[in-house]
Amino acid sequence: EVQLVQSGAEVKKPGEALKISCQGSGYSFTNYWIVWVRQMPGKGLEWMGIINPGDSNTKYSPSFQGQVTISADKSINIAYLQWSGLKASDSAMYYCARRAIAARPGLWFFDLWGRGTLLTVSS
Amino acid sequence: QSVLTQPPSVSGAPGQRVTISCTGSRSNIGTGYDVHWYQQLPGAAPKLLIYSNTNRPSGVPDRFSGSKSGTSASLAITGLQAEDEADYYCQSYDSSLRGAVFGGGTKVTVL
Repeated sequence: EVQLVQSGAEVKKPGEALKISCQGSGYSFTNYWIVWVRQMPGKGLEWMGIINPGDSNTKYSPSFQGQVTISADKSINIAYLQWSGLKASDSAMYYCARRAIAARPGLWFFDLWGRGTLLTVSS
Repeated sequence: QSVLTQPPSVSGAPGQRVTISCTGSRSNIGTGYDVHWYQQLPGAAPKLLIYSNTNRPSGVPDRFSGSKSGTSASLAITGLQAEDEADYYCQSYDSSLRGAVFGGGTKVTVL
């Protein structure tokens, strides 16, 4: 089955570090970019950044540049989203999704989504 | 404030037709970048509904259709069904931000 499997829900304290994951299966992982999308409680979708798992080329939304780090390990088909010091405002659902590598520049759509990782940051 | 503008909510009776607008600017939809639509059922992840303005992925009912003109796009749902109650998001590419932009989402309520 073609799917993106995300790591489980997390409850963390402010200032703690965290790395969440997104594993692709059932397709060629390096043929698709992996994007991370934030959804704060009751709010809409926000693009955070995107990575090419084949060469780790990464682009960040200006809103998230410097706030998170996106990485990937193509040997195990996993992409990561990490924080070095969490804040309460990072509490949200985080989705990973994929975008075809072969898509022409400017054609950005996401045809497969993970179920999301719920992050709660509270003291 | 989302880069793409959608109405917060639309509603309709079962069987009716509803439309959701998505308005952008010259740095995204107006440049010619495609518009895509996602459906997010309550408590679920988003799902691709329409890609490249008018195309439906396999498995998406033909009750859903998309269009684009100028700096705007629309999603139409004909023959509205109770199972269509969800949030709908439009999305495009923005050349200024050099990445994806989303609309704020529209909640569809079936009366």
